[in-house]
Amino acid sequence: AQSVSQHNHHVILSEAASLELGCNYSYGGTVNLFWYVQYPGQHLQLLLKYFSGDPLVKGIKGFEAEFIKSKFSFNLRKPSVQWSDTAEYFCAVNAGNSGNTPLVFGKGTRLSVIA
Amino acid sequence: GAVVSQHPSRVICKSGTSVKIECRSLDFQATTMFWYRQFPKQSLMLMATSNEGSKATYEQGVEKDKFLINHASLTLSTLTVTSAHPEDSSFYICSAQQGISGGYTFGSGTRLTVV
Repeated sequence: AQSVSQHNHHVILSEAASLELGCNYSYGGTVNLFWYVQYPGQHLQLLLKYFSGDPLVKGIKGFEAEFIKSKFSFNLRKPSVQWSDTAEYFCAVNAGNSGNTPLVFGKGTRLSVIA
Repeated sequence: GAVVSQHPSRVICKSGTSVKIECRSLDFQATTMFWYRQFPKQSLMLMATSNEGSKATYEQGVEKDKFLINHASLTLSTLTVTSAHPEDSSFYICSAQQGISGGYTFGSGTRLTVV
């Protein structure tokens, strides 16, 4: 079974600071990797996903993530955060090439961006 | 893009009563729907996977007689919390997948409070 670890529970940054949120997964086979964002009072929105190909994935709102297979990692990055990036961020994984499988989520990282 | 409508967004019910939560895919056919439960400041925990026209597959520890899932059509899945207790109070989220390799779209969630 897959599992996902997000090491940072709460991250506080000033506007314009760079962001990196850690995500490590545990699974021996092919995986699909996702980052979702949940703004206060809103539903989960997909930021980016990796299925195959270029391990550096660019998503919406200036976010990117890099899949490093040897480290079982899929860290999320953004060079300069904005106040509007304040939200909960979830890393998720599912088994690749296996049809309709559910996503397994990490515990989430709360990002607070202060002026 | 794909939209999933989840209703109601909030519900308060008395202990012992039942509550039905609906999840509809508005512009696509969802062959598979997933139901998650999210506790405060925690991740989404998968409760069950439902495929249209067949019985749902429940995760270990989830009572299938308490959390009834019906996926009667390709656009509608329902979760009924039967004989609700205060400990069932939580945030319930559905997710629909379009096809085998389709993306996951999340509903906006239902906050259930049992008093």
